[in-house]
Amino acid sequence: NAGVTQTPKFQVLKTGQSMTLQCAQDMNHNSMYWYRQDPGMGLRLIYYSASEGTTDKGEVPNGYNVSRLNKREFSLRLESAAPSQTSVYFCASSVPTANVLTFGAGSRLTVL
Amino acid sequence: QKEVEQDPGPLSVPEGAIVSLNCTYSNSAFQYFMWYRQYSRKGPELLMYTYSSGNKEDGRFTAQVDKSSKYISLFIRDSQPSDSATYLCAMSEESGGYQKVTFGTGTKLQVIP
Repeated sequence: NAGVTQTPKFQVLKTGQSMTLQCAQDMNHNSMYWYRQDPGMGLRLIYYSASEGTTDKGEVPNGYNVSRLNKREFSLRLESAAPSQTSVYFCASSVPTANVLTFGAGSRLTVL
Repeated sequence: QKEVEQDPGPLSVPEGAIVSLNCTYSNSAFQYFMWYRQYSRKGPELLMYTYSSGNKEDGRFTAQVDKSSKYISLFIRDSQPSDSATYLCAMSEESGGYQKVTFGTGTKLQVIP
């Protein structure tokens, strides 16, 4: 049982480049989330998808887009990366209306 | 002011010590209270989950919630080097049909053998 799988684990981008972070869960969870974690800032919600077919903005959505491809997969796209987007990104999932999140191992992104 | 405040540490204790980790919050709508543990370069994992005021015990770990004071704590008894990690408090409220979770910034704990 893999839980929540994120790819890639590490990525270095130049300013202005684009990329997509992939996330898949095998727990049949309806809800999926993307967080970023920065020193002194904690985990901040970027976007979430309460169920397949829906997505909503979180606390820090600017500069990001998401796609809920199906029930298992939720991707995060940076269209034009900026140094301020250097961070560790975590995908998480949960059952509907639940507050217990299962996290992936994280994707470390550096934007030069 | 942040909704959830947590001392970032680092906190360094000798093996076997009792550890106390704390968070305060300002949002009275928070209903559920959680502690996550995050090892270096890993994702957070749920450690404890509580709903009401009072204590909840799980092995060496005790979670305490005081809603009247808006204060939650995590106690670790007989701390072990394997407890060295960052501990994140988290709280959730009902928001637009889903549980909105707010995290503290985390306290880094080091247990020295």
